[in-house]
Amino acid sequence: EAGVTQFPSHSVIEKGQTVTLRCDPISGHDNLYWYRRVMGKEIKFLLHFVKESKQDESGMPNNRFLAERTGGTYSTLKVQPAELEDSGVYFCASSQDNGFEQFFGPGTRLTVL
Amino acid sequence: QKEVEQDPGPLSVPEGAIVSLNCTYSNSAFQYFMWYRQYSRKGPELLMYTYSSGNKEDGRFTAQVDKSSKYISLFIRDSQPSDSATYLCAISPDSWGKLQFGAGTQVVVTP
Repeated sequence: EAGVTQFPSHSVIEKGQTVTLRCDPISGHDNLYWYRRVMGKEIKFLLHFVKESKQDESGMPNNRFLAERTGGTYSTLKVQPAELEDSGVYFCASSQDNGFEQFFGPGTRLTVL
Repeated sequence: QKEVEQDPGPLSVPEGAIVSLNCTYSNSAFQYFMWYRQYSRKGPELLMYTYSSGNKEDGRFTAQVDKSSKYISLFIRDSQPSDSATYLCAISPDSWGKLQFGAGTQVVVTP
């Protein structure tokens, strides 16, 4: 069974540009989460989807971040326009029935110059 | 004050030793406790989870939770060089899964 996949693995963009990160959860997992880790800090929760609905988006830093999960399958996280402080590693995780058995993807390393 | 405190290490132990890791948390509302292992440039990998005080064992790993002290621990017996990684504690107030992570402790097991 394939694990959680994320694309791209690494993205380097300039301040002001737009970047879209993609996450493909494990097949059949209704719960999908986004987290990020900025340099020197802990991994922080961004938001949680149940199927296509946003269950909790309390961790989204501001309105430059837009997450979608059309059809309840893969999810995208768009940053527009990107700022220097958005640099970090963005992780996606999925789970089937509960939130404490989350399986993480390898992350997307975002560098904003 | 951070919700979850974890010493970042590094913690260096000889092969075969017991590795002892711990986290403290501040909010008694947290009910679910997880330990993840993360190798360099990889995503966190779930090792164990528990939602009650006491011990839970899985092979060489033992997770311990003391809700009265707001203290969680992970013990790794008979440590191997392949156990060298960063270990993250994570806690959640409910089963929905808004995880709060500790900083992670880097563990190095030397042959």
